[in-house]
Amino acid sequence: DGGITQSPKYLFRKEGQNVTLSCEQNLNHDAMYWYRQDPGQGLRLIYYSQIVNDFQKGDIAEGYSVSREKKESFPLTVTSAQKNPTAFYLCASHPGGGNDEKLFFGSGTQLSVL
Amino acid sequence: DAKTTQPPSMDCAEGRAANLPCNHSTISGNEYVYWYRQIHSQGPQYIIHGLKNNETNEMASLIITEDRKSSTLILPHATLRDTAVYYCIVRVGSYAPYQKVTFGTGTKLQVIP
Repeated sequence: DGGITQSPKYLFRKEGQNVTLSCEQNLNHDAMYWYRQDPGQGLRLIYYSQIVNDFQKGDIAEGYSVSREKKESFPLTVTSAQKNPTAFYLCASHPGGGNDEKLFFGSGTQLSVL
Repeated sequence: DAKTTQPPSMDCAEGRAANLPCNHSTISGNEYVYWYRQIHSQGPQYIIHGLKNNETNEMASLIITEDRKSSTLILPHATLRDTAVYYCIVRVGSYAPYQKVTFGTGTKLQVIP
């Protein structure tokens, strides 16, 4: 089945540690997005990529980094510079170029600090 | 993109219609209204979208007022599985990138047995 796979479902980070959240899609979508969601809050955009080898900062990029070396993969690294990383992280994708109306989401990764 | 306003929470009896309102008074002529929902601890899911005409699909109906300043998402026969947070967003047509779209706090719909 086509879709977006996020892993792991739950992740724990120690102080000073970098952790990487995986996002893989087999939908052949050009655009991919990372959002952060805090309890009871909406989605805030961290980074987005409209095409391979290109990505842009969203509204809350500080303390995060991404790469887009392959069309199907858009990993997010939460660095030690992100002082409050505990949140639910969502990856999404979109065909781009006006080919489809919908944003497709993964099932999310819950990151917690030990 | 235009901002939207939704009530923070609503209850609906199982089997009854759930009517979720959304205000988008600053919507522009080329902005579409979209609805997504998020079941607890999952990613949001697309429901429906429209420009000015009423729309219906297998999940829901969307009613947009003539002046386009507000809309209502209708779940005709709510089930317990419809308990979720419902997001109303606006987006410029099919070509605008989603990075310009804001997902606010939405409406938490509780379907009651």
